[in-house]
Amino acid sequence: EAQVTQNPRYLITVTGKKLTVTCSQNMNHEYMSWYRQDPGLGLRQIYYSMNVEVTDKGDVPEGYKVSRKEKRNFPLILESPSPNQTSLYFCASSFTGLAGQETQYFGPGTRLLVL
Amino acid sequence: QKEVEQNSGPLSVPEGAIASLNCTYSDRGSQSFFWYRQYSGKSPELIMFIYSNGDKEDGRFTAQLNKASQYVSLLIRDSQPSDSATYLCAVNKGYSTLTFGKGTMLLVSP
Repeated sequence: EAQVTQNPRYLITVTGKKLTVTCSQNMNHEYMSWYRQDPGLGLRQIYYSMNVEVTDKGDVPEGYKVSRKEKRNFPLILESPSPNQTSLYFCASSFTGLAGQETQYFGPGTRLLVL
Repeated sequence: QKEVEQNSGPLSVPEGAIASLNCTYSDRGSQSFFWYRQYSGKSPELIMFIYSNGDKEDGRFTAQLNKASQYVSLLIRDSQPSDSATYLCAVNKGYSTLTFGKGTMLLVSP
């Protein structure tokens, strides 16, 4: 089954304790992205990757890191989490269709609470 | 001006009616346009995309694009209570730069 998986699905942590949220896709997509979703602010892109070892900042990259060592995996790293990073996080992978449109497919989400 | 704007709603329609969801965007360089449906606490699910002016139909859903007016809409015919969700408009300006609106909540009453 074609899918994007994220782990963990739920996480409660404390300020300053490094954490990693994993993301994996089995569709051989080149492009992957991370978003956060907050009430009243909608979905905002954190980082994206166009291919292995190629990453770039999205709209809200502060406090986050990513890496893309393999095509299928795109982990999100919070080196020193803070309460303002409490949010619902989505990973997405995408491909470019014949008409040039990029179609994104989302993982199930990770709900993070930073105390 | 925000890049992608949607009315937050809620938009309330009775079962069987047509629901009309609207979206405007600011960047004339935008290339393709997407509608996602998101149930509370779940991930966005792609419903349709459109990249040419005019209408595109898929079952009960019709997407409409007017690039001159920088306007894209989604019509849902014969609305069902299961259509109750938040609908996200998204605009693609290039590789992986997908910008979302904040979404419109749709409520379909039986």
